[in-house]
Amino acid sequence: GAVVSQHPSRVICKSGTSVKIECRSLDFQATTMFWYRQFPKQSLMLMATSNEGSKATYEQGVEKDKFLINHASLTLSTLTVTSAHPEDSSFYICSARDRVLTQYFGPGTRLLVL
Amino acid sequence: RKEVEQDPGPFNVPEGATVAFNCTYSNSASQSFFWYRQDCRKEPKLLMSVYSSGNEDGRFTAQLNRASQYISLLIRDSKLSDSATYLCVVNISGQTGANNLFFGTGTRLTVIP
Repeated sequence: GAVVSQHPSRVICKSGTSVKIECRSLDFQATTMFWYRQFPKQSLMLMATSNEGSKATYEQGVEKDKFLINHASLTLSTLTVTSAHPEDSSFYICSARDRVLTQYFGPGTRLLVL
Repeated sequence: RKEVEQDPGPFNVPEGATVAFNCTYSNSASQSFFWYRQDCRKEPKLLMSVYSSGNEDGRFTAQLNRASQYISLLIRDSKLSDSATYLCVVNISGQTGANNLFFGTGTRLTVIP
């Protein structure tokens, strides 16, 4: 099946620093990628939809200046958490959608902000 | 109202038991339906799609009732390895490029030896 990778798998950083998370579709081209966040014991919540070559679409309540998304190619989208704070600590998961609209999830990135 | 609602559980069942999960969705325009499985601290993985006629995959049976906007998952002969959170997921048609997967909060299952 299709494979989506994320890097890093986990990161610990100090409050105020920025963290970049990469999402790659390894064996297919993804014109659309999605970024989700999941807090403990809660469901996945969509943060933004990333379309290759255009600006991301953010869900209500998600600050676009804090969560910067770049989808520079058909196989790579990045999410940068700027000036991270402890409340940003979460499990961030990306997914990539192929041409037949099937979504494949990455393994997730666990972020801990101290 | 949430797009997808599930009983969060937890369901604690002995090995070999049969367990059923239910899910309701609010948008009648929903087009396709899935059950995903999520293990602790891992990403969700597709377990099976759900079709109107009902479908079975080994010990797992999924059913859809469009009139009642209700989806179910039945697991027979539960194994210890079935312990996970089961997510009900609904695909709602949207504009090209718009997100169309909506997740329930998940139902936690623990199979006990």
